[in-house]
Amino acid sequence: AQSVSQHNHHVILSEAASLELGCNYSYGGTVNLFWYVQYPGQHLQLLLKYFSGDPLVKGIKGFEAEFIKSKFSFNLRKPSVQWSDTAEYFCAVNSGGSNYKLTFGKGTLLTVNP
Amino acid sequence: EPEVTQTPSHQVTQMGQEVILRCVPISNHLYFYWYRQILGQKVEFLVSFYNNEISEKSEIFDDQFSVERPDGSNFTLKIRSTKLEDSAMYFCASSGQNDSPLHFGNGTRLTVT
Repeated sequence: AQSVSQHNHHVILSEAASLELGCNYSYGGTVNLFWYVQYPGQHLQLLLKYFSGDPLVKGIKGFEAEFIKSKFSFNLRKPSVQWSDTAEYFCAVNSGGSNYKLTFGKGTLLTVNP
Repeated sequence: EPEVTQTPSHQVTQMGQEVILRCVPISNHLYFYWYRQILGQKVEFLVSFYNNEISEKSEIFDDQFSVERPDGSNFTLKIRSTKLEDSAMYFCASSGQNDSPLHFGNGTRLTVT
């Protein structure tokens, strides 16, 4: 069975600090990887996804993530965070089967102080 | 941008009662899903639905749960006899293709007392 681990439960940063949120997954086969963001009071939104190709994926709002197959990792990064990035971030994996069944991590709450 | 809408935003019910959570997926989408998130825990897959039938369900989705697409726009999740442990945020999602990213609704917070 697939599982996704997000090691940081709550990250607190000041504006302009760099961000890296860890995500590791366990699954031996081909995977599709995602980061979703949930701003306060809003729905889950897709930040970026990796299906194949370049392991460095760029998403919206200046976020990027790197798929490192040997480490089973898909860490999310942003060089300079803003107060508006305060949200909960979820890593998810899908084994690429016929149904779009995602396995989510527990989420990381990011608080950016102005 | 089209959105997935869910109603109500918050539902309070007594244990043993039936609840129906409603979702209006994006109009040209074909694949529909329910996920839930118990407070402090992970977002968990419940069920996927395509071509008017369940295509996959998790072990959480037992006989107390059912889904329906009663007309061309709504997609509902029914819990027949709610338990305290059903208290959670329930998210509806839809996608246009099998391999397209999911579009999520804002969720319905279900509180069972």
